[in-house]
Amino acid sequence: DIQMTQSPSTLSASVGDRVTITCRASQTISSYLAWFQQKPGKAPKLLIYRASSLESGVPSRFSGSGSGTEFTLTISSLQPDDFATYYCQQYDSYPWSFGQGTKLEIK
Amino acid sequence: QVQLVESGGGVVQPGRSLRLSCAASGYNFNNYGMHWVRQAPGKGLEWVAVIWYDGSNQYYADSVKGRFTVSRDNSKNMVYLQLKSLRAEDTAIYYCARSGGLHLVNWGQGTQVTVSS
Repeated sequence: DIQMTQSPSTLSASVGDRVTITCRASQTISSYLAWFQQKPGKAPKLLIYRASSLESGVPSRFSGSGSGTEFTLTISSLQPDDFATYYCQQYDSYPWSFGQGTKLEIK
Repeated sequence: QVQLVESGGGVVQPGRSLRLSCAASGYNFNNYGMHWVRQAPGKGLEWVAVIWYDGSNQYYADSVKGRFTVSRDNSKNMVYLQLKSLRAEDTAIYYCARSGGLHLVNWGQGTQVTVSS
């Protein structure tokens, strides 16, 4: 089974900051990686799929990159609405798996 | 627009069974795979199961294999998750989600399952 590891687990940042979250897969997953944002009490929301494709309606300050085993999610200029928990997820092979999450907090 | 509505959650004793339902609308249900994902209290997301668009294949997480069964009724735009031999560690919010090609796209609001004596 493929293990997904995110870093950091918690990230403190300020409005306007550029932040990057890293996700590593235990084996190659090509570009079959998605990023989700989740706010408390809400369902996850798709941000990025196929490692770097922006989901329709998602602000362009979100971007994804990487392939193989290492991936990043970047938010170019943090907005107040972006403080949430972010998860990466591989869909290369079953069983699918998520990273443990990165909680983005206000500094 | 796409809407997914889960139901069937509740409080159940260890060892008992429960069936979750997910009603889909706003798209051609017959064309897409459906997944279940769960989230234990204060924890991260855990993928649980998938059923292909035509019901021909199902895959499960190791943690639920042999205890949970996913099924669908394309005539009713419904997907189900049968939970058996429930354990305390199955306590979670259970979400159904739609595949968009390969990746997950749309999620329901979730239904709470609590396993407790």
